[in-house]
Amino acid sequence: GNSVTQMEGPVTLSEEAFLTINCTYTATGYPSLFWYVQYPGEGLQLLLKATKADDKGSNKGFEATYRKETTSFHLEKGSVQVSDSAVYFCALILSGYALNFGKGTSLLVTP
Amino acid sequence: DGGITQSPKYLFRKEGQNVTLSCEQNLNHDAMYWYRQDPGQGLRLIYYSQIVNDFQKGDIAEGYSVSREKKESFPLTVTSAQKNPTAFYLCASTSGPEQFFGPGTRLTVL
Repeated sequence: GNSVTQMEGPVTLSEEAFLTINCTYTATGYPSLFWYVQYPGEGLQLLLKATKADDKGSNKGFEATYRKETTSFHLEKGSVQVSDSAVYFCALILSGYALNFGKGTSLLVTP
Repeated sequence: DGGITQSPKYLFRKEGQNVTLSCEQNLNHDAMYWYRQDPGQGLRLIYYSQIVNDFQKGDIAEGYSVSREKKESFPLTVTSAQKNPTAFYLCASTSGPEQFFGPGTRLTVL
């Protein structure tokens, strides 16, 4: 079946540190890949996406590249801010069905 | 502004009661989804509907029911058969691969 595995948290970083959150997937076809972010008490917001191999999604300083050869979609940011503290979800979708989510990675950025 | 609304934000239920969570969207999306979120579990699919008057069970449908009488609305009923209903419930809609989420309803069973 289809599944997403992402690194367990919580991840604690100092402001301006480099962030990587690992995400790998298993899929029976060619999925689209997503990173969603959830701030405390809120729903999920789409952070970035990639729909085919070698695509790079980017938004608000975050980037992730769709790597078919390693079935990965790692999230990176060069310099995190306190306001980036949230839970990050990696997800995939195959056509005509719902998203498969990873379990989420909690990020805490300290001043 | 287009978007998805869920109500109420917080809901308390006594054991043995059915409760209905509201989800409305004005994005003109065909497909709508209900997810359940538990700490450390990610999101799990309860039900989804790709068209009015049609819906399918997701991974954890037992103890839940839905209806899709209008394109804009996809209410979820948590029945007394759901053994552990305390969770955060998220509704989503889509017209393509990207899903848009509502703000969620936190249900607590007393």
